[in-house]
Amino acid sequence: DGGITQSPKYLFRKEGQNVTLSCEQNLNHDAMYWYRQDPGQGLRLIYYSQIVNDFQKGDIAEGYSVSREKKESFPLTVTSAQKNPTAFYLCASSTQGADTQYFGPGTRLTVL
Amino acid sequence: RKEVEQDPGPFNVPEGATVAFNCTYSNSASQSFFWYRQDCRKEPKLLMSVYSSGNEDGRFTAQLNRASQYISLLIRDSKLSDSATYLCVVRRASNDMRFGAGTRLTVKP
Repeated sequence: DGGITQSPKYLFRKEGQNVTLSCEQNLNHDAMYWYRQDPGQGLRLIYYSQIVNDFQKGDIAEGYSVSREKKESFPLTVTSAQKNPTAFYLCASSTQGADTQYFGPGTRLTVL
Repeated sequence: RKEVEQDPGPFNVPEGATVAFNCTYSNSASQSFFWYRQDCRKEPKLLMSVYSSGNEDGRFTAQLNRASQYISLLIRDSKLSDSATYLCVVRRASNDMRFGAGTRLTVKP
């Protein structure tokens, strides 16, 4: 089945630790995105990548880092510099220039 | 002011009711418009795109008014399974999607 997978579904970390969230897609999509969702707010873009080995900052990139070494994979690292990391993180992908983005099931990160 | 604004609800309606959601956007250069559905603690899923001429998909009708920068979603004959949060989404450029905070709908028996 084609789709986007994110792992793990739930993640707990201690304050001050870096953590990496996985996102993999087998849809052959060129573009991939990371969003963060907080209660009562719309999704906010963290980073996006239109092509392998290239990525751009979104609106709230501070405290996050990404890599795009393979077309299928776009991992997100939440660093200790991110002040409020507890949130629901969603990865999405789309074909280049397409209107529609398809989302993975999300990772719920809680920093204790 | 948020770029995409929605009434958060909640809207509580009985089965079979007709319910309408509204959304306004502030960027007049916005190019494409969508409604996504998000179930509790799940990912958003595309419900339908919204076109200037209005479009319908079964019990769902979406309309766009570019002059007023206003988008609507009408759900007829509500089902229990329609209970979800409905996100209004506006695309400014190829990779620039702006999401509303969502309107929560609960359909009751």
